[in-house]
Amino acid sequence: DTGVSQNPRHKITKRGQNVTFRCDPISEHNRLYWYRQTLGQGPEFLTYFQNEAQLEKSRLLSDRFSAERPKGSFSTLEIQRTEQGDSAMYLCASSTDRLSNQPQHFGDGTRLSIL
Amino acid sequence: KNEVEQSPQNLTAQEGEFITINCSYSVGISALHWLQQHPGGGIVSLFMLSSGKKKHGRLIATINIQEKHSSLHITASHPRDSAVYICAVRGNYGQNFVFGPGTRLSVLP
Repeated sequence: DTGVSQNPRHKITKRGQNVTFRCDPISEHNRLYWYRQTLGQGPEFLTYFQNEAQLEKSRLLSDRFSAERPKGSFSTLEIQRTEQGDSAMYLCASSTDRLSNQPQHFGDGTRLSIL
Repeated sequence: KNEVEQSPQNLTAQEGEFITINCSYSVGISALHWLQQHPGGGIVSLFMLSSGKKKHGRLIATINIQEKHSSLHITASHPRDSAVYICAVRGNYGQNFVFGPGTRLSVLP
């Protein structure tokens, strides 16, 4: 069990640029979540995948945000035309539905800074 | 009103003290998750519960579904317990979690 891996750990970019983050979940986990966390706040749900299907999306996920999980394994989160308000920690988590109420396992996050 | 509230917002304790962190929520839930977040961002799952009580080492989590309330207790607190403790709830429909704002705990030696 290598845990949930996120890349890159940090991303600094200029306003208006596109960025893409990657999440590799624990291999046998079929559920994958993306969250956003700003300083001093708890994480906010962005989107959820069951295998390759994106089943839930938050209203926070504007049309500049898109997430994919093409083969039901790793996932990518892309932000187009970044804005200063996008600066945050982006967290990925995974879990399994083989048993009920299995906890989510979190990656260390990608910290995005928009200049 | 936020769906998930936590109290206290900040807590400072002396090593060895018994600590209680509270979480209250306003919607029906299927599960409640207690998480620990250390400086630098790493989040660790502590408990996932839907009823009753769970214990792991010095940590105890309880939930009262009727009162929409959960507590996280730490016995014999230690400076390494210093972290932000976050409560998150999953509603009765869907899989997404709503997170509380967290309780920042500092345990002094």
